[in-house]
Amino acid sequence: RKEVEQDPGPFNVPEGATVAFNCTYSNSASQSFFWYRQDCRKEPKLLMSVYSSGNEDGRFTAQLNRASQYISLLIRDSKLSDSATYLCVVAGRETSGSRLTFGEGTQLTVNP
Amino acid sequence: GAVVSQHPSWVICKSGTSVKIECRSLDFQATTMFWYRQFPKQSLMLMATSNEGSKATYEQGVEKDKFLINHASLTLSTLTVTSAHPEDSSFYICSARAPARATEQYFGPGTRLTVT
Repeated sequence: RKEVEQDPGPFNVPEGATVAFNCTYSNSASQSFFWYRQDCRKEPKLLMSVYSSGNEDGRFTAQLNRASQYISLLIRDSKLSDSATYLCVVAGRETSGSRLTFGEGTQLTVNP
Repeated sequence: GAVVSQHPSWVICKSGTSVKIECRSLDFQATTMFWYRQFPKQSLMLMATSNEGSKATYEQGVEKDKFLINHASLTLSTLTVTSAHPEDSSFYICSARAPARATEQYFGPGTRLTVT
């Protein structure tokens, strides 16, 4: 079983749509959770951290359910510029610090 | 925010040659740097963790004699792909962690390696 599993995608949605990404992780000792976005041929960029209490940043809402080891990302009123691959990322508690494990990503294309 | 640079951004080399990729933290000191590899349509896979002044820790399946990592200073880590083969063609990305922020990593722009 993969350490981090995401919806395989790809997702194609019209502008203004709401889209949800799902992610599960296998290591119950994981401590930190993130969503990154990666544009084609570019490095991943941190979109937001994910907390158990849930957090929102404008049109983006992230949720974490530790009991079911499930992470989600919701994008409302999607824009053309939201087109990218969204990566679910999990970090453990490491003495050497923050080993990140990446999911395979879910590609999103927002169409005009 | 913190800036990490990589050089070169892309490189084409012949099979059997060696290629060195540099990763620099420009405005902070990075005690730990990470090297990832990403094949087309796949996610980032951690290759090794590089700590300043000590030997790198390699992930299972990554040959340490083929992928030489040197982290000689708090702002520079290098990855040398030795005796490169076409199957080493990939997108190599480094990231750096600042001491004060245990879980936050800053990614470099990546180096696209093509071995012919």
